[in-house]
Amino acid sequence: GAGVSQSPSNKVTEKGKDVELRCDPISGHTALYWYRQSLGQGLEFLIYFQGNSAPDKSGLPSDRFSAERTGGSVSTLTIQRTQQEDSAVYLCASSIGGAGNEQFFGPGTRLTVL
Amino acid sequence: RKEVEQDPGPFNVPEGATVAFNCTYSNSASQSFFWYRQDCRKEPKLLMSVYSSGNEDGRFTAQLNRASQYISLLIRDSKLSDSATYLCVVSRNTNAGKSTFGDGTTLTVKP
Repeated sequence: GAGVSQSPSNKVTEKGKDVELRCDPISGHTALYWYRQSLGQGLEFLIYFQGNSAPDKSGLPSDRFSAERTGGSVSTLTIQRTQQEDSAVYLCASSIGGAGNEQFFGPGTRLTVL
Repeated sequence: RKEVEQDPGPFNVPEGATVAFNCTYSNSASQSFFWYRQDCRKEPKLLMSVYSSGNEDGRFTAQLNRASQYISLLIRDSKLSDSATYLCVVSRNTNAGKSTFGDGTTLTVKP
């Protein structure tokens, strides 16, 4: 079946612009995660959605970052007024439940802020 | 101190070698443990779950030591295709909440 998809695969933007990154999880997966990975670094947790519960936003680095998940499916991560330090690969993952279940990752969106 | 810590390596080993990685975690209440594999410029994929009793999958063996709060991954008879970054993942719950990823250990298997 279809895996997790993300779009765009690459995004180049200018400092100060807003960007939207999209994630389509595996159908039926109730949990959705966003991570950020800088070159040569580990995964940095950003935000977690689980069903209809309030999202865990504890990893969002600043108020320029926000995310929503509509209808319990597609999620959009928005970064406002992008900065050069926002350059990274943004990975989305989904799982049947939360922690304790296998996370299936999308291919990521490579964001470059000039 | 990071919640999950791994030796970043790199580990450079010849084909056929046995190599072991450790990962320590700080929260004694952690309940779920995994090893993921990430190939260069690719997304992470689950390698194996780690159970209290230990588990084995072919050449790979994972073990959990709750008393010392670490998990290990042993790879026997290394193959060139084992070259990757291995990520340790720890969660506080079994079916809810987020997971914490270690920064990964890089393995290079050489001919």
